[in-house]
Amino acid sequence: DSGVTQTPKHLITATGQRVTLRCSPRSGDLSVYWYQQSLDQGLQFLIQYYNGEERAKGNILERFSAQQFPDLHSELNLSSLELGDSALYFCASSPLGSSYEQYFGPGTRLTVT
Amino acid sequence: ELKVEQNPLFLSMQEGKNYTIYCNYSTTSDRLYWYRQDPGKSLESLFVLLSNGAVKQEGRLMASLDTKARLSTLHITAAVHDLSATYFCAVEDSNYQLIWGAGTKLIIKP
Repeated sequence: DSGVTQTPKHLITATGQRVTLRCSPRSGDLSVYWYQQSLDQGLQFLIQYYNGEERAKGNILERFSAQQFPDLHSELNLSSLELGDSALYFCASSPLGSSYEQYFGPGTRLTVT
Repeated sequence: ELKVEQNPLFLSMQEGKNYTIYCNYSTTSDRLYWYRQDPGKSLESLFVLLSNGAVKQEGRLMASLDTKARLSTLHITAAVHDLSATYFCAVEDSNYQLIWGAGTKLIIKP
């Protein structure tokens, strides 16, 4: 158990809908990272937050957004969902702003029908 | 732009054999990470390599880093079925972001 929690574990929704994925980092970690893992795209870095501020952006679509709250938990919002958004979404945390060693949560499996 | 290449992408081997997974990267970096992922599960950190010549070992796995050659290896000794998983390397770029390899799916047959 890495100490990173993610909810929900599974999510099934229809195209065009909007969902919110939640992540709580390890105690004391200030950075949160979001990743998408699909069969054909591998592991894709989406976005990083450090102590409430956006730190780095990867291949995140405009339909997706994220934020980190004062208690350091983070939410990833996915809107206007498409079939291709079906994937495993991982959150990871690390102590610092630099990547250092990242600890991954169990993931949220999103299925868009 | 830093690019990370792993090879092979797929490896099927017999128990008891030795093999090596390679991770090449395109620009200078001193930090490299190896992760393991079981099917449908999360990623687990295996090794953190922070300098040229770093070598880390855990059980039947040994990882090394050659920053001059821009190469890391993950060596498996006397493989056992429990080591079947997908192994990822990730390299830290100049912006302190991790750039991930595509992963090596390792299947170890009895």
